[in-house]
Amino acid sequence: KQEVTQIPAALSVPEGENLVLNCSFTDSAIYNLQWFRQDPGKGLTSLLLIQSSQREQTSGRLNASLDKSSGRSTLYIAASQPGDSATYLCAVRRFFTGNQFYFGTGTSLTVIP
Amino acid sequence: GAGVSQSPSNKVTEKGKDVELRCDPISGHTALYWYRQSLGQGLEFLIYFQGNSAPDKSGLPSDRFSAERTGGSVSTLTIQRTQQEDSAVYLCASSHYRGTDTQYFGPGTRLTVL
Repeated sequence: KQEVTQIPAALSVPEGENLVLNCSFTDSAIYNLQWFRQDPGKGLTSLLLIQSSQREQTSGRLNASLDKSSGRSTLYIAASQPGDSATYLCAVRRFFTGNQFYFGTGTSLTVIP
Repeated sequence: GAGVSQSPSNKVTEKGKDVELRCDPISGHTALYWYRQSLGQGLEFLIYFQGNSAPDKSGLPSDRFSAERTGGSVSTLTIQRTQQEDSAVYLCASSHYRGTDTQYFGPGTRLTVL
């Protein structure tokens, strides 16, 4: 079974700092990997989707990388802002197991003004 | 356009009662997913629909859980004889194509079983 781990579980940084969130998965046979943010009481918002053939994706201040062979992905947030405070989840879709996403338990990020 | 909507946003019920949770996906999205997020745990896949059929029901935790989708649109997740361990946030997501596109999530239904 695919297991997804996110480290750290919680992170607190001062505004303006660059930061990296980590995601690791046990089975490298993935179809794609997606990063989401979840705000309290709300659903998930998709940030970046990386197909298995890609190495990275960028959107604004966000950059996500994927290293399938080592089972790792990172989400880089540049020049963090208080509005970035949320829980960040990574999810992998595995080949040939229907359409399940396997989610990590998330990293709770607090950006201090 | 409108995103994925879910109703009710909150549901409190007594143990043993049946509940129905509703999901309205984004118009034109053929794929629909249900997930469960329990306190302190990650999201757990429940069921996947492609059109009106459910090729993957592997995540449903017991036969008390069922789901249907009609007209390739609205989906209902039904939990019979609710138990306290069913308390969680139930999230619905939709995507345009099977397995290839970004999933868009609704705000969820918070279910509390007393």
